[in-house]
Amino acid sequence: DIVLTQSPDSLAVSLGERVTINCKSNQSILFNPHNKNFLGWYQQKPGQPPKLLMYWSSTRESGVPERFSGSGSGTDFTLTIAGLQAEDVAIYYCHQYYRSPYTFGPGTKLDFK
Amino acid sequence: QIQLMMSAAEVKNPGASVQVSCTASGYRFATYGISWVRQAPGQGLEWMGWISAYNGETRNAQKFQGRVNMTTDTSTSTAHMELRSLRSDDTAVYYCARVYYDSTGLFVMDVWGQGTTVTVSS
Repeated sequence: DIVLTQSPDSLAVSLGERVTINCKSNQSILFNPHNKNFLGWYQQKPGQPPKLLMYWSSTRESGVPERFSGSGSGTDFTLTIAGLQAEDVAIYYCHQYYRSPYTFGPGTKLDFK
Repeated sequence: QIQLMMSAAEVKNPGASVQVSCTASGYRFATYGISWVRQAPGQGLEWMGWISAYNGETRNAQKFQGRVNMTTDTSTSTAHMELRSLRSDDTAVYYCARVYYDSTGLFVMDVWGQGTTVTVSS
């Protein structure tokens, strides 16, 4: 199985600060013929189901604010929030769909400082 | 609007089976898939598998092989997930999610049900 790790496990930041969450895969999830990374990001707020934020590592889902961006390729990926807003407090999961089983990372908990 | 309505919470004894249902509305059911994801108390997300509502193709995590059965009923736009031989560590919230997939390999879970709590306890 493809194993995803995330760092940090948790972080606390102030409103308006920039947030960076990392996701690392134990094998490349880049599909070379299409030059696409089979990675998505999901946000889960307390008591709610997850919400899709990003796919192809950097394509924002419709309706997701522009302050969210994704980057990376191969085995190393980053989710960036350009200025934390109150509603961004949540757990963020990366997810690979390169090979079944389509595993999730363990999550990064984002909170206010 | 597009939504997935899930069945009510269940309490089961160890060794029993549970069936969780997920009824879709607001979109053409057969043109998407349904994924099943579970979340144990205080834990992260675990992908269990998915089924194409178009042709019934399934992919399950090896961990659940032989214990899980995923089906769809296009006449009622409903997906079912049956998990057998329940153990205490199967206690979790079970989510269904609509899957958009295509020939490029894109696989995204873009609409989620509210979750069904399954408790396994004697």
